[in-house]
This record gives sequence, C-alpha cells and structure tokens, in this order.
Amino acid sequence: GQQLNQSPQSMFIQEGEDVSMNCTSSSIFNTWLWYKQDPGEGPVLLIALYKAGELTSNGRLTAQFGITRKDSFLNISASIPSDVGIYFCAGQSQGTYKYIFGTGTRLKVLA
Amino acid sequence: KAGVTQTPRYLIKTRGQQVTLSCSPISGHRSVSWYQQTPGQGLQFLFEYFSETQRNKGNFPGRFSGRQFSNSRSEMNVSTLELGDSALYLCASSLAERGAEQFFGPGTRLTVL
Repeated sequence: GQQLNQSPQSMFIQEGEDVSMNCTSSSIFNTWLWYKQDPGEGPVLLIALYKAGELTSNGRLTAQFGITRKDSFLNISASIPSDVGIYFCAGQSQGTYKYIFGTGTRLKVLA
Repeated sequence: KAGVTQTPRYLIKTRGQQVTLSCSPISGHRSVSWYQQTPGQGLQFLFEYFSETQRNKGNFPGRFSGRQFSNSRSEMNVSTLELGDSALYLCASSLAERGAEQFFGPGTRLTVL
C-alpha cells in the first residue's frame, strides 16, 4: 500500500536534546497529522495542520506544514525519557477522506 | 468524552478460521476507518465507513470486510485466516468532513497460529 517517506527511521538522542523529523510525499496534501504511538497501544494525535506554511505547537512539540504542501516537519524540544516511541505522520489529499501514513520514526531517549 | 474503544484487545486464532473485531467510535463521530499494522508494512489502510456505507477501500483481498451500524459502531471481519494476517488492527474515528482529525482506539492484537 501507499506510504509516505519519513526520516530518520530511528534515532537515539540524549535527554535534553532537540529532535527533528520530517515526512515527504510525491502528492500534495491538504491536511497533515502527527501521531505518537507507544508499544501495544494505538497512535495518539499530537498536532493537526491545515494550511501551507502553518506552524503549530503543542507543549514542547512544534510541527510545520511545508510550503510545497508535499512535506511536513515535527520538532521536539528538550527531549525527556517519556518521548520514547514511534512518531507517525499522516497526510490527506484533496478530494479524499483517506489518510496515508508515514513509515514512522522510532525515537529512543538516553537518560 | 469517552475515546474510541475496540474489542477484544487480544485474540488468538488458527489458520482457516474467521474473526470479527468491533469498534465503537467517539460519540458524535460518524466516520470509522480501519488499519492493519505490522512491523514490516507499517500502518495500512483497510477501509472507511460513513453512514453505514463503505466510502473508501484499501488494497486488501476480499477476505477482509467490514460494516457499520446505524449508531456508527463498526465491525470488521477476516475470513479464512492466514498466518500473515497476524497484526495489530486499529480503528480510528472522526467527524465526517475532509480534513477531520482521526482518533485511534487501542487496537486488537490478532495472532494467527
């Protein structure tokens, strides 16, 4: 099935460091969603983006809707151990109700 | 407001059997989407239901089917189970509009032996 490219695939970082990840598509999207998933649980919605260039924050998390509408970025500032998990992006293109998901970025935080 | 609930949480079946999974959306949400999640393939879209009708469908064989009831609750069924059907099955609900945020349930972990 179709998936978005997400990078990096995984990363180890030190507690307190900032983290950046991105998601790219060959298609234009009208909506981007970012999720975090803990082992054995369903993804939890972190941030929703609706306009090109939009920058939205949720606590230490900041996400941006790329100007080209083909990419999105998620930043986590001052990471803490509970940030560990898999982060997914999801995009929805015009004329559809379906979301396409990224391949995920696995984050591991070293205390 | 209660979140999305899925039952059962865990299920073990053998090849050839069939299984039915249930999803209750957030109150007021009329769209329900189903996804299969495996380590190798990530989150794959199965289908989406709105107003008791399948509105979108992914690329899965006909053994995978679903339905939605008038109260927006949804079920998915997998017939003639195969080993490769072992996965976490996730249900997500949303308001029916395009661009609406999707909220996931905890998933049903299906193991096929």
